[in-house]
Amino acid sequence: GQQLNQSPQSMFIQEGEDVSMNCTSSSIFNTWLWYKQDPGEGPVLLIALYKAGELTSNGRLTAQFGITRKDSFLNISASIPSDVGIYFCAGQIEGGKLIFGQGTELSVKP
Amino acid sequence: NAGVTQTPKFRILKIGQSMTLQCTQDMNHNYMYWYRQDPGMGLKLIYYSVGAGITDKGEVPNGYNVSRSTTEDFPLRLELAAPSQTSVYFCASSSRRTTNEKLFFGSGTQLSVL
Repeated sequence: GQQLNQSPQSMFIQEGEDVSMNCTSSSIFNTWLWYKQDPGEGPVLLIALYKAGELTSNGRLTAQFGITRKDSFLNISASIPSDVGIYFCAGQIEGGKLIFGQGTELSVKP
Repeated sequence: NAGVTQTPKFRILKIGQSMTLQCTQDMNHNYMYWYRQDPGMGLKLIYYSVGAGITDKGEVPNGYNVSRSTTEDFPLRLELAAPSQTSVYFCASSSRRTTNEKLFFGSGTQLSVL
């Protein structure tokens, strides 16, 4: 079946540093989404991307929909302790089904 | 609005036992989903429903059953629990399938089968 490869699996960074993570696939997606999961909670939508090449920001977060429609990346600038959590990419295919990446676990040292 | 509410929060089952994970939403959403989350594996779709009385299988439906008798409720049933079903289970809902990126998730049920 369709799969998303998300990297890195985990990151340990210092407060104030910038963060980059990405998702790649051999399949084309119509929509790319980025979610964040806080410990003990369900994922919450951060950014949704609808067009190839689209670059969208949400505060310190910026995400891009790759021009091939097979990848996406998420950047977090000037990280803070509350950025800690697991970040998931998800691709939406025909019929609306979502395929999730494996997640990137982010740890921020104050 | 409470959003999506899941119960219980934690549960330990013995092999072969059965249980029902409850999920209810108060947003009048038509679409509801059950996902399981395993470490390093992301979220996998178990079952979904596009409205009351309609359910369909996702990626990993084996060992589970669902029903959707009302718009609000979408329980997930495990009939014969197995260790492979140890996981965190998330229920989610959305208003329309074509915009289901706006999924609202519950806070999860952590299930251990021993």
